[in-house]
Amino acid sequence: NAGVTQTPKFRVLKTGQSMTLLCAQDMNHEYMYWYRQDPGMGLRLIHYSVGEGTTAKGEVPDGYNVSRLKKQNFLLGLESAAPSQTSVYFCASSYMTDLRPRNTEAFFGQGTRLTVV
Amino acid sequence: KQEVTQIPAALSVPEGENLVLNCSFTDSAIYNLQWFRQDPGKGLTSLLLIQSSQREQTSGRLNASLDKSSGRSTLYIAASQPGDSATYLCAVRSSNYQLIWGAGTKLIIKP
Repeated sequence: NAGVTQTPKFRVLKTGQSMTLLCAQDMNHEYMYWYRQDPGMGLRLIHYSVGEGTTAKGEVPDGYNVSRLKKQNFLLGLESAAPSQTSVYFCASSYMTDLRPRNTEAFFGQGTRLTVV
Repeated sequence: KQEVTQIPAALSVPEGENLVLNCSFTDSAIYNLQWFRQDPGKGLTSLLLIQSSQREQTSGRLNASLDKSSGRSTLYIAASQPGDSATYLCAVRSSNYQLIWGAGTKLIIKP
């Protein structure tokens, strides 16, 4: 049971380059999220998705785009990387039901360490 | 705006001690609170999830409590072991989609 899988695990980009981070989950979760983690700060939500074909902005969406073409995959794109985007990126997923939409646990991937030089 | 604070930022204790990690939040209107463990260079592992209607949850040597009215949660670790060394994060769910995170407490258990 793989859970939430992120690829790649590490990446170094030059300023202005683009890249896509892939998140895949095999738990049939509706909700998926992308967070970034910076030293001394809590995780911050970049974008999230409540289902296939839907995405929404989180707390820090600027400079990122996302897509959820398939329920199990959530992609995070950086069109023109900047040094300020150096961070560790985490993908998460959770299951939501109509009966108890908020009482659910979030599951996380192993993270992607991105350095922009 | 919900804010989550974890104090202390770092803690070092001898092996075998019982210890308490603290998490406080500013808005008591939460749905649940989750404690995570993060090992260096690794992802986040969920330890305990406390629903807003619950007072505590236990898993092995871990016990998490929740006092919504005072905006506090504690994670109690009994008989600490070097393998417990990690960063512990708490997060509150204040909406359907968003977890609000503390910055974490880095715990070192000395053999």
